Amino acid sequence: LAKTTQPISMDSYEGQEVNITCSHNNIATNDYITWYQQFPSQGPRFIIQGYKTKVTNEVASLFIPADRKSSTLSLPRVSLSDTAVYYCLVGDLRSGNQFYFGTGTSLTVIP
Amino acid sequence: EPEVTQTPSHQVTQMGQEVILRCVPISNHLYFYWYRQILGQKVEFLVSFYNNEISEKSEIFDDQFSVERPDGSNFTLKIRSTKLEDSAMYFCASGGANTGELFFGEGSRLTVL
Repeated sequence: LAKTTQPISMDSYEGQEVNITCSHNNIATNDYITWYQQFPSQGPRFIIQGYKTKVTNEVASLFIPADRKSSTLSLPRVSLSDTAVYYCLVGDLRSGNQFYFGTGTSLTVIP
Repeated sequence: EPEVTQTPSHQVTQMGQEVILRCVPISNHLYFYWYRQILGQKVEFLVSFYNNEISEKSEIFDDQFSVERPDGSNFTLKIRSTKLEDSAMYFCASGGANTGELFFGEGSRLTVL
């Protein structure tokens, strides 16, 4: 089971780009890397998923180096509404594996 | 957009009572999960369910807990004899075979007095 390690917290000013890195040294060959966002008293919400290299969608980019032992979530030009906890998960849903949440990174966006 | 729905949104119960939390996953999904989150703490995996049986469960998911998919649409979590430390937000999630993404409900807040 691949364990993930993230910074506990980060602060950023509005309009800045934020990069959150996650370490997952024992990622398995079939594992995908998925990032979720959680606001207080709400369920986690999917942000982005990737297997290798770079993935981009309308809200974020995900950078994965060739060894896949880490990944970086990049949020362009954050706003106050991006203040949330961000979780990195590693696993393969297609095989029915469970997904374990780590401690997550609490991002605070400052005006 | 399809969504996972959970009921009740909030339940208050006395210690020792049985509680059933209900979830309606997205209709064509195959994988179902229960997680819990104690206030201020991380999201903890409880159990995953696939093909009408438990596929994995955590240490938290002891004999006090059970899950069921009684009618092909609902997915329930039963807590047989609640304890004070069961007070938490319980999240249901479902996933399809081809997306690798979990969709979470808004949660059921359980308060045990």
